[in-house]
Amino acid sequence: AQRVTQPEKLLSVFKGAPVELKCNYSYSGSPELFWYVQYSRQRLQLLLRHISRESIKGFTADLNKGETSFHLKKPFAQEEDSAMYYCALEGSQGNLIFGKGTKLSVKP
Amino acid sequence: DTEVTQTPKHLVMGMTNKKSLKCEQHMGHRAMYWYKQKAKKPPELMFVYSYEKLSINESVPSRFSPECPNSSLLNLHLHALQPEDSALYLCASSQDGDREVAFFGQGTRLTVV
Repeated sequence: AQRVTQPEKLLSVFKGAPVELKCNYSYSGSPELFWYVQYSRQRLQLLLRHISRESIKGFTADLNKGETSFHLKKPFAQEEDSAMYYCALEGSQGNLIFGKGTKLSVKP
Repeated sequence: DTEVTQTPKHLVMGMTNKKSLKCEQHMGHRAMYWYKQKAKKPPELMFVYSYEKLSINESVPSRFSPECPNSSLLNLHLHALQPEDSALYLCASSQDGDREVAFFGQGTRLTVV
């Protein structure tokens, strides 16, 4: 089965605190994983993909095949990071399989 | 141009109406997608077009009818919808060879009354 699990519906942190948004996946083969972000009233947009190994807006995510995880991390959260974050897996048909999302709330 | 443009932004329609949602991209992407997103939920895939041919239909009711007139355009024709079909409808596109869905439109907020 191809599945993405984001165990936290809501994550609330204070500004400047570290953030880790959890994502676990189920996929046979080599997965392609992504993080998407949806700010309030804005379009869903790609934040990063594991292949590029980039750091976008201070966020990084490392693919851990042993733990089947792709957690999103940022060392110091900012208020403007408040948004919905979706982990996604590219399915065998080339479509995206989304997790249920985690709402990140960064408090001042 | 790295945008996926959707029109209209908002649509209110009655259950007996016929309307269409439009999506346009000029990035040369050959795969285009329709997603449905209910409030506070992840997007759910509805249809995938690859090289202007329907390649995936996720068991969507026939009151939703997609159309891909050319490689830049994707339509979603709506007829006899139900109130529970009210949602945000997102269009997306990708390079078919790369197969990642990197670009989403802002969506059409549909309300069925």
